[in-house]
Order: sequence, then structure tokens, then C-alpha cells
Amino acid sequence: DVKVTQSSRYLVKRTGEKVFLECVQDMDHENMFWYRQDPGLGLRLIYFSYDVKMKEKGDIPEGYSVSREKKERFSLILESASTNQTSMYLCASSLSSRAEAFFGQGTRLTVV
Amino acid sequence: GENVEQHPSTLSVQEGDSAVIKCTYSDSASNYFPWYKQELGKRPQLIIDIRSNVGEKKDQRIAVTLNKTAKHFSLHITETQPEDSAVYFCAATSNTGNQFYFGTGTSLTVIP
Repeated sequence: DVKVTQSSRYLVKRTGEKVFLECVQDMDHENMFWYRQDPGLGLRLIYFSYDVKMKEKGDIPEGYSVSREKKERFSLILESASTNQTSMYLCASSLSSRAEAFFGQGTRLTVV
Repeated sequence: GENVEQHPSTLSVQEGDSAVIKCTYSDSASNYFPWYKQELGKRPQLIIDIRSNVGEKKDQRIAVTLNKTAKHFSLHITETQPEDSAVYFCAATSNTGNQFYFGTGTSLTVIP
């Protein structure tokens, strides 16, 4: 049973703080993704990675960076959190882009 | 890149009726079309997918159809039940890409 685990379910941070969201998968998947989910906007891709140390920008990378030092772990970094980054963040992994994506449980981030 | 549009954004049906959600895509190279269901407070999960070499796929009460010429695909749910209430996302991807392109989601409510 594939597991994608995000480090926090709920997070409250102050404006200007550096924020780390961690995601770990246990199925040796090549691809990992970070999405942001907002009402009416669906799942918007922030960054994805198809291999260790490889990353590509998604649709909304501004204000975010990522790190993938190990195959199983993909981190999303908010360099200086702002209130407009208050959102639900979903991590996902997949064997390939033509295979099922498995999602983490999500992190509800509130920036105050 | 690929652009996936999904309609309607909200859908209410009476229990026992059918529900249809439609998606269109722009990239003729797309060849894998998964559908995800996200229940309230839970992570998205794959419910059915279709590849471009078939026109229809069925799994009990759910079915997906694909029209490659028109570049659209649809999710059909028959004999709807209250537990079908959720947000449904369509997606498209291809061999040449590493990412999934998601629609904006359809919130389905099944009224008992």
C-alpha cells in the first residue's frame, strides 16, 4: 500500500517566516509533485521533480522553492511566507506521468 | 503546454440519477486521462483512468469515455448514491511530459 506522508496536517506561520513542508513516499517513485489547492482553482502545480536533485517549475512557482536530496523525500520551501500563500498544499508521487498519482493527506497552511 | 478545462464546476443530482462531468484538453499528444475523487477533508484518489487506445472504460457504476478527435473525455456515474458526493478532478498527460494537467474540479452533491 503506497504511502505519501506530509509532515504536518495544520500549520500556522507568521508573515516573513521561512516555511518548510516535507513529503515522504515509500514506493520508490521517480516523480514527486507539490500542488496548491484553492477553492474554484483546482490543483495548481507549484514544482515537480522526476529524479533526485532534479526539479522543474510548474504553473505557480513564484515565492516557492523545492529540494529533493533523496528519492523518497521532496520538500517545499516558502522563502518568506506571505498571507496570499495561505492554502492547502498537497504532495503527490507517481511511478511515471502515465501511472496513478498518490497524494498525501495535505497541509493546511495559514500565514498570519 | 496542455490546457484541461472541466465542466460543470458544481453539479447537484437526486439520488439514483446519473451524473456526467466533461473535460476537454488541448494537446493532441496527451494519451492518459485519469479521474480523481476527493471526499471532504480527504486526499484525492484515483477512481478510473483511460488510455488513448480505447474509447470507453467501465467499472461498476462509473465509466469514462474518450473522443480523441474532439479532444474531450467524460466521467459518467450511474445510480448515484450520497457517498458519491465529492469533488472530482480530471487530468491529462502524455509520454513526453512528466506532469499531470488537472481540470479545476467539479463539486458533485447527491441529494438523498
